[in-house]
Amino acid sequence: GEQVEQRPPHLSVREGDSAVITCTYTDPNSYYFFWYKQEPGASLQLLMKVFSSTEINEGQGFTVLLNKKDKRLSLNLTAAHPGDSAAYFCAVSNTNTGKLTFGDGTVLTVKP
Amino acid sequence: GPKVLQIPSHQIIDMGQMVTLNCDPVSNHLYFYWYKQILGQQMEFLVNFYNGKVMEKSKLFKDQFSVERPDGSYFTLKIQPTALEDSAVYFCASSFRDSLYEQYFGPGTRLTVL
Repeated sequence: GEQVEQRPPHLSVREGDSAVITCTYTDPNSYYFFWYKQEPGASLQLLMKVFSSTEINEGQGFTVLLNKKDKRLSLNLTAAHPGDSAAYFCAVSNTNTGKLTFGDGTVLTVKP
Repeated sequence: GPKVLQIPSHQIIDMGQMVTLNCDPVSNHLYFYWYKQILGQQMEFLVNFYNGKVMEKSKLFKDQFSVERPDGSYFTLKIQPTALEDSAVYFCASSFRDSLYEQYFGPGTRLTVL
């Protein structure tokens, strides 16, 4: 079945720096991709969903890139601030039933 | 935004007992999911549920597990009997429809089996 590898497991940056988190997946038929943010003790909050037809997606303060050839999905926070400190998870869906396969997560710490 | 609630937030039980985890999904959502996350490990899909039926389940969804949503109330995950390896955080999610729509997650129930 689908396997998703997420790197790095921990990331510490200074405020204003960029932060990049990357996921690679194995199933070339995957077609929906998601990034979730989880603050301590809180639910997973959807940051962005990406369909396989779109390679670049921009949100508020971040960009998601999808490289289908390399089966790689990345989240780039362009100018991180302390409020971005959280765990981030990528998730991949390749079935009609909505089953998500998650990466291991990245704990991001943004220092003032 | 839409919220998924989970009750209880923590549950401690003895091995062999039965436990029911409750999920209150977003009101107009039709698809429901359970995921399991052992401390320090990946979040893993257990099962999804639509129109009163299990649509897909993983190998983690053992025979001791069952799900239901009687009369549109809570979406429940029942484990009977529990085992030590069932200790984990269980996340419920719901979506308006299927994989075309994002899943909204609850805050999780931390289950400890002693």
